Amino acid sequence: SQQGEEDPQALSIQEGENATMNCSYKTSINNLQWYRQNSGRGLVHLILIRSNEREKHSGRLRVTLDTSKKSSSLLITASRAADTASYFCGVDYKLSFGAGTTVTVRA
Amino acid sequence: GAGVSQSPSNKVTEKGKDVELRCDPISGHTALYWYRQSLGQGLEFLIYFQGNSAPDKSGLPSDRFSAERTGGSVSTLTIQRTQQEDSAVYLCASSLAGQSTDTQYFGPGTRLTVL
Repeated sequence: SQQGEEDPQALSIQEGENATMNCSYKTSINNLQWYRQNSGRGLVHLILIRSNEREKHSGRLRVTLDTSKKSSSLLITASRAADTASYFCGVDYKLSFGAGTTVTVRA
Repeated sequence: GAGVSQSPSNKVTEKGKDVELRCDPISGHTALYWYRQSLGQGLEFLIYFQGNSAPDKSGLPSDRFSAERTGGSVSTLTIQRTQQEDSAVYLCASSLAGQSTDTQYFGPGTRLTVL
């Protein structure tokens, strides 16, 4: 199955700042999904963007998709301590993630 | 309602032994997935069940790995003659209908350690 690759590997930000991470993939897709994983809640689905969409919002999350560049970005605005986690992207339904982006939000 | 549950939460075994990992999906979900997450290596798809269709086994790394799903609900992942490289967290997920736009709900995982 195709793998999403996240970048950067790690991100450390101050509470209230925005966090941006990127995802790249290799072939055509139907949709792309972002997941979050922390020790308390395991892997949790955040947002899905379809291949015919360019941008999608959900609360403090904003996802963009550029199918010509085979890339997506996830923006978390006004970050909170609870956003400290690893973030992964996966394509279609046979999800395969890279090592993820580890986000640390400092108080 | 209850989420996806997996058992055991931790399993330590000796190289060469067989192990069985269990997954109870969310009630009513027709699709069930098994994944493996190795430290620092992301998530790897293993196998996918959808209703009564033949499972998609394209992600199984070797013939030592097999899975079954009984009665369209509970699933068991079996690893025969375990090797040290099988050490990982094995995650199960379920979704309502198995479509690519469905949200997959993950269980807490089984951490397998092969000594």
